[in-house]
Amino acid sequence: EVQLVESGGGLVQPGRSMKLSCAASGFTFSDYYMAWVRQAPKKGLEWVASISYEGSSTYYGDSVKGRFTISRDNAKSTLYLQMNSLRSEDTATYYCASRPYWGQGVMVTVSS
Amino acid sequence: DIQMTQSPSFLSASVGDRVTINCKASQNINKYLDWYQQKLGEAPKLLIYNTNSLHTGIPSRFSGSGSGTDFTLTISSLQPEDVATYFCLQHNSGWTFGGGTKLELK
Repeated sequence: EVQLVESGGGLVQPGRSMKLSCAASGFTFSDYYMAWVRQAPKKGLEWVASISYEGSSTYYGDSVKGRFTISRDNAKSTLYLQMNSLRSEDTATYYCASRPYWGQGVMVTVSS
Repeated sequence: DIQMTQSPSFLSASVGDRVTINCKASQNINKYLDWYQQKLGEAPKLLIYNTNSLHTGIPSRFSGSGSGTDFTLTISSLQPEDVATYFCLQHNSGWTFGGGTKLELK
């Protein structure tokens, strides 16, 4: 069974950092281009960042460029998102995704 | 950046109706357009990939068409379990989602 399980979310103060993880199982992780997608409360989906199969190429949405870093460890079948200089507008559910497969999401709340 | 305009944003239909949802890209995205279904409190689920390929396990009443900049998701006979929000996703250049269509039963 394919599973993507996100972790590391929670409440964080503005300006602070947080790192999300996504553990993959049930498929060959290194065969898939991976991404983080977020959804603010009652809003649509927003692409955050993507990473190539080996991790050599990364891409970011304009709203997070320079603040967030996507990375992966294929040996551990794990995807990461390092989020720095967090803002209130980063509050959302963050999904780990690979087009056919999505995690259940993890909530990140940025508030003082 | 590629923008995706999805319409309508809200749709009310009856069981058995034929339903169509549209996405328009701001530039040519070839065939690289997926459709997702998201039910309340759940992660998005892939329905159609690369314009017209039905994902594994998805009922055949769902279909996709289009090319270039204009794409359509069709539900041939609406079922109660199809109540959800539907999103398109272009993956020709980065990823961009459409704004979503909330589908309800009349």
